[in-house]
Amino acid sequence: AQTVTQSQPEMSVQEAETVTLSCTYDTSESDYYLFWYKQPPSRQMILVIRQEAYKQQNATENRFSVNFQKAAKSFSLKISDSQLGDAAMYFCASAVPQGGSEKLVFGKGMKLTVNP
Amino acid sequence: KAGVTQTPRYLIKTRGQQVTLSCSPISGHRSVSWYQQTPGQGLQFLFEYFSETQRNKGNFPGRFSGRQFSNSRSEMNVSTLELGDSALYLCASTAGTGAAYGYTFGSGTRLTVV
Repeated sequence: AQTVTQSQPEMSVQEAETVTLSCTYDTSESDYYLFWYKQPPSRQMILVIRQEAYKQQNATENRFSVNFQKAAKSFSLKISDSQLGDAAMYFCASAVPQGGSEKLVFGKGMKLTVNP
Repeated sequence: KAGVTQTPRYLIKTRGQQVTLSCSPISGHRSVSWYQQTPGQGLQFLFEYFSETQRNKGNFPGRFSGRQFSNSRSEMNVSTLELGDSALYLCASTAGTGAAYGYTFGSGTRLTVV
C-alpha cells in the first residue's frame, strides 16, 4: 500500500524568500510518480510539479523545484521568490501505474502563508 | 480549452436523501476519477471511470456509486445520505494514464448533509 506523509501542517514565508515543504512516502513499487498539488481557496487542485521515480534528475517548473531522494523516500518542494499568490494548501501525492488506471494517494496537506 | 466542470458547486441535503453530482472532463479526456475531501480523512479516492467502465474503486460503502456516459461526462451518486458524507467532492480527468499525463481537477462540489 502507498502512504504519503506531510508532517508540517502549516508554514509561513516572507514574500520573495524561499520555503521548502517536506513530504515522505512509502511504496513497495519501483515504478511510481510523485506530485505536488496546490489548492487555493477556489478549491481547485492545481498541479504544481510532477516527478517520475525512474528519473534521477529533479523536476523544475519555474520557481518550483523538488528534491527527490529515492532511497530516503523523500520528496520536498522548494518555492523560490515566494509570491502572495503562492498562499494555499499544498498536497503531496503519489500514484502507482496499474495497467492504465491509477489512483492518487494524498498526504494530509500543509497550509502555506505568504507574508507581505 | 475548457477545464473540468463540476456541478453544482454547493449542495445542501437532508440525512436519508440521495444526491447526484456531475463532472464534465476536459474535451478528449476519457478517464474521470472522483475524490472525497474532508478535514478529518483528507483526500480519499472514490472511483475511476474510463470509457464508461469502472476501472478502479476505493474503500467506500456501496451507497457511493458512479457512472460515465459515452461523452465521458461522469456522475456520482450517494444514497441514504449520512452526516459524515458532508465533504468536498472533487473530480479529475486525464487523457490516458493519469500518472504519466497528469490529472486536471475541477473546483469540486461542496456537499453539506444536515
